[in-house]
Amino acid sequence: DAGVIQSPRHEVTEMGQEVTLRCKPISGHDYLFWYRQTMMRGLELLIYFNNNVPIDDSGMPEDRFSAKMPNASFSTLKIQPSEPRDSAVYFCASSTAVYLSLYNSPLHFGNGTRLTVT
Amino acid sequence: SQQGEEDPQALSIQEGENATMNCSYKTSINNLQWYRQNSGRGLVHLILIRSNEREKHSGRLRVTLDTSKKSSSLLITASRAADTASYFCATAYSGNTPLVFGKGTRLSVIA
Repeated sequence: DAGVIQSPRHEVTEMGQEVTLRCKPISGHDYLFWYRQTMMRGLELLIYFNNNVPIDDSGMPEDRFSAKMPNASFSTLKIQPSEPRDSAVYFCASSTAVYLSLYNSPLHFGNGTRLTVT
Repeated sequence: SQQGEEDPQALSIQEGENATMNCSYKTSINNLQWYRQNSGRGLVHLILIRSNEREKHSGRLRVTLDTSKKSSSLLITASRAADTASYFCATAYSGNTPLVFGKGTRLSVIA
């Protein structure tokens, strides 16, 4: 089991540039989550997918953020244009079930992408 | 907004001592989960306690849940330097919502 794989591990970019973060969930997991972690706000849920379909994107901060899941083994989170306040660690997590047994399903996290926007 | 809030924000103890972290939450839950995050890594699931359970053990971990007080505690016994990490509680509401995390407790175990 390779776990959730995120790339890149670190991303440094200039304000205004497009940033794309990538995630490969654990095979067989049908839910995928994108979280953002900062010291000030802690861990915030941005968006999550079920069977490749976005279920709730109410946590996406603004239209500059978009996420896609073209298939069961790949998801992207894109920021365009990036701003310094987007600097954070972005985590992808996957799970085998949410609603069927939401409460009994631990999340499996990747090691995150540390984004720095200068 | 966070559902769970951990207390204390930071804790420093000597190796071999016990570490206790607390989590308070606001609304009814179906279960509560604890996670550990080592520096520069993702969160790792430690233990899950259901709303009808009062205490659960896993190795050196002991979790309690008091639904009347809307609080939970995580006890790490005989701590080791390797236990140095941030610890988060996460709650699942009664309903179809994903986990909501607190801001965590930073534990430092000094050898």
